[in-house]
Amino acid sequence: GIQVEQSPPDLILQEGANSTLRCNFSDSVNNLQWFHQNPWGQLINLFYIPSGTKQNGRLSATTVATERYSLLYISSSQTTDSGVYFCAVERPHKAAGNKLTFGGGTRVLVKP
Amino acid sequence: EPEVTQTPSHQVTQMGQEVILRCVPISNHLYFYWYRQILGQKVEFLVSFYNNEISEKSEIFDDQFSVERPDGSNFTLKIRSTKLEDSAMYFCASSGSRGGYEQYFGPGTRLTVT
Repeated sequence: GIQVEQSPPDLILQEGANSTLRCNFSDSVNNLQWFHQNPWGQLINLFYIPSGTKQNGRLSATTVATERYSLLYISSSQTTDSGVYFCAVERPHKAAGNKLTFGGGTRVLVKP
Repeated sequence: EPEVTQTPSHQVTQMGQEVILRCVPISNHLYFYWYRQILGQKVEFLVSFYNNEISEKSEIFDDQFSVERPDGSNFTLKIRSTKLEDSAMYFCASSGSRGGYEQYFGPGTRLTVT
């Protein structure tokens, strides 16, 4: 199956700092989503971004599908940005059930 | 904005008991999914469901698991005889179509098996 690798595994930031999280995948995809898992365990949809660039407030994401990676940018980080960030991808497949394969996540801690 | 809902938010059960986790997908969605996350690990696919049948299931989804869409709004995951290792967060998701469409996740049900 497809491999999804996220880096770095852990990230400690001072409040106000900027950071970049990376997601590499081993095969072509037709869906890529970024999630933030909050301290209560909920998965919050951040971006649906199979290609191109999107921005939502202080967060933005870029996917370069031809080079098999995606980046999530956090600018002016806040303590509420703490949590685990997951990238998930879907392989194009005619008969399959369209499952998402998740990466191992990047655990982010933003210190005040 | 439409959202996926799940009940209960937390369930505690004894080993060997049956549990049913409930989900209400987004109303015009046709594709439904269950995922599982054991504490501290990555999120794993369990099963996808379309047109009242399973489209794909993972190796985790053995005979102890079943899914059902009992009416026009609910989508359920049943674990027949729970084991300690079934303790996890279970997420329901839905999408409007297949093949590259965004999946919308519910808040999850935390299942604790004692």
